[in-house]
Amino acid sequence: DAGITQSPRHKVTETGTPVTLRCHQTENHRYMYWYRQDPGHGLRLIHYSYGVKDTDKGEVSDGYSVSRSKTEDFLLTLESATSSQTSVYFCAITPELGSGAYNEQFFGPGTRLTVL
Amino acid sequence: SQELEQSPQSLIVQEGKNLTINCTSSKTLYGLYWYKQKYGEGLIFLMMLQKGGEEKSHEKITAKLDEKKQQSSLHITASQPSHAGIYLCGADRGNTGNQFYFGTGTSLTVIP
Repeated sequence: DAGITQSPRHKVTETGTPVTLRCHQTENHRYMYWYRQDPGHGLRLIHYSYGVKDTDKGEVSDGYSVSRSKTEDFLLTLESATSSQTSVYFCAITPELGSGAYNEQFFGPGTRLTVL
Repeated sequence: SQELEQSPQSLIVQEGKNLTINCTSSKTLYGLYWYKQKYGEGLIFLMMLQKGGEEKSHEKITAKLDEKKQQSSLHITASQPSHAGIYLCGADRGNTGNQFYFGTGTSLTVIP
């Protein structure tokens, strides 16, 4: 447990509505990530952040935006949800070791999103 | 195309049997990570391998990385129902931001 929580844990919404998922960490880690997990595709990176207000796109970023105004929170927003965004979303962090080295990623419990 | 190929996709074994899951990359890996995911839950880190030929064990699970750092195997000895879940291999892209990419996972069922 790396002190990562996600909210909500489950959400059902309708096509075209905006949705925001929250990832909260308690240990001031610099790097945070949003993934989606789908059958046959495994985990795919949506966006990641390397610090407050510093974010970048992952491999499946279309239709998603992120914001990081505080170290502890990384928000994922679906501006206009589509059925193809039905998925399980995971947040992750990487503890940064000294001298720029990195370590394994730790994951939150996930958010199951259904877009009808 | 998937950068990390896992095999098999699913596995059903009798309790007490040994099993092996493979993870293959077309590129040299900077770091290879094994995770376990219980159904409906998040990922739990198992082991990290970074050096060619490296082998690590934890309880009844052993992971190896080949000398070329392109293939890893996860071996479970004397499987138990508690080993059931989805096993994923992940790799570090070696670029800025410590970005990971993952295999599609292997679903393991252990029959008591």
